[in-house]
Formats: sequence, C-alpha cells, structure tokens
Amino acid sequence: NAGVMQNPRHLVRRRGQEARLRCSPMKGHSHVYWYRQLPEEGLKFMVYLQKENIIDESGMPKERFSAEFPKEGPSILRIQQVVRGDSAAYFCASSPGGRETQYFGPGTRLLVL
Amino acid sequence: ELKVEQNPLFLSMQEGKNYTIYCNYSTTSDRLYWYRQDPGKSLESLFVLLSNGAVKQEGRLMASLDTKARLSTLHITAAVHDLSATYFCAVAGGAGANNLFFGTGTRLTVIP
Repeated sequence: NAGVMQNPRHLVRRRGQEARLRCSPMKGHSHVYWYRQLPEEGLKFMVYLQKENIIDESGMPKERFSAEFPKEGPSILRIQQVVRGDSAAYFCASSPGGRETQYFGPGTRLLVL
Repeated sequence: ELKVEQNPLFLSMQEGKNYTIYCNYSTTSDRLYWYRQDPGKSLESLFVLLSNGAVKQEGRLMASLDTKARLSTLHITAAVHDLSATYFCAVAGGAGANNLFFGTGTRLTVIP
C-alpha cells in the first residue's frame, strides 16, 4: 500500500512565479491536510480538504495561496507570485476519516530565489 | 489558538541513559500524537494518545498523557544512536478537532 505521495520533492522558483505542489493521499483516504514547516520550526496547519470541498482553511494566508482536492486526481496547493518568505517545506497528510491518525508525505521543499 | 510547547528544544544524551521530553498544551483536546522526523525526511507516526492516563510503549520509547494537566511525556529508556531525530508532539484542535497543532520539536542527539 503506497504511502502519501508528493511531487515535486524539490521546487525552485524565482520571485513572482507560481508554485504548484501536488499530493496524492494514501489509498482509501479521502481527507487531506497541508502543513508548512519553516526551517528549525514545527509544522503549521494550512488547510484541510475532502474531495471537492475545503473544510477548514483557517491557516491559509489570505492572499496568493489556494488549495483544491478535485474529484479525480491529486490535491493541489498553489502559491501565486511567490516571495522569498514562502521558502519552506510543505507537507501533505492524509487520513481515512476526519479524526484519525494523519500520515505524512515526504514533503516538497520550495526554494524561492 | 491552541498552543503547544515542548521542552527541551535540544537534547544531547549518551547511549544507555534515560530522559524525558515534555509537551504542554493550552486547551482541551481529545487526541495527542507523537511523531518522529529524521533530517530532510517526513514525519513518522509513533503514538496516538486518546484518554487521560493513557500509556503506550514501543521499544525504548514510552508516551503518556495527563489530560487534566494538559501534559504528555515521551520517555526514552537506554538511548541508542538510532533514536537520534527530532520528536514532535501534536495536539488535535481547530474546527471539528481535525487539525494538528505542533510543538516546536525536540532535537535529540544520542552520543555513542
């Protein structure tokens, strides 16, 4: 049973470009979460989605960031007009239900030049 | 917002010694998790604690939960080098208690 998959693993963008991060949950999991980890810090919750629905986006910055989890395909975290402060590791997690253990993907390390 | 504090932030210990990592949280929650993260890697789930007095053990690691004190501990027994990693506690909270609020992590280094 494949774990949570994320791609790309590493992403380099110049300021002002767009970053698209993809997450495929574990088989049988319909709940997806995105977290951001700044260097030397813990993870910070960004958004929680189920198929075609955003359940909680209280941790998402109000501008430039968006997330979706379509009926078919992976969940996408999109960052428009990236700035240097967006450089971080972005982790996706999935769970079979909303109050169950979250399993984390390998992360996407975004570097903004 | 739910606050989670861990201490110590850094822990260097010799092989064979015992030590405890502490995790305090600010508001009531019904689930607390411990995760391990190796450098440059993802998070591996270690334990989930659901009720007051819960204790779980796996190998040299033992986790416990006191919901009244809002405190969890991760006890390391007879440390070995392979346990070197960063350990995070995470507490369920937010709308519907679906989101995890993470502590800052404890970076453990076990010295041979």
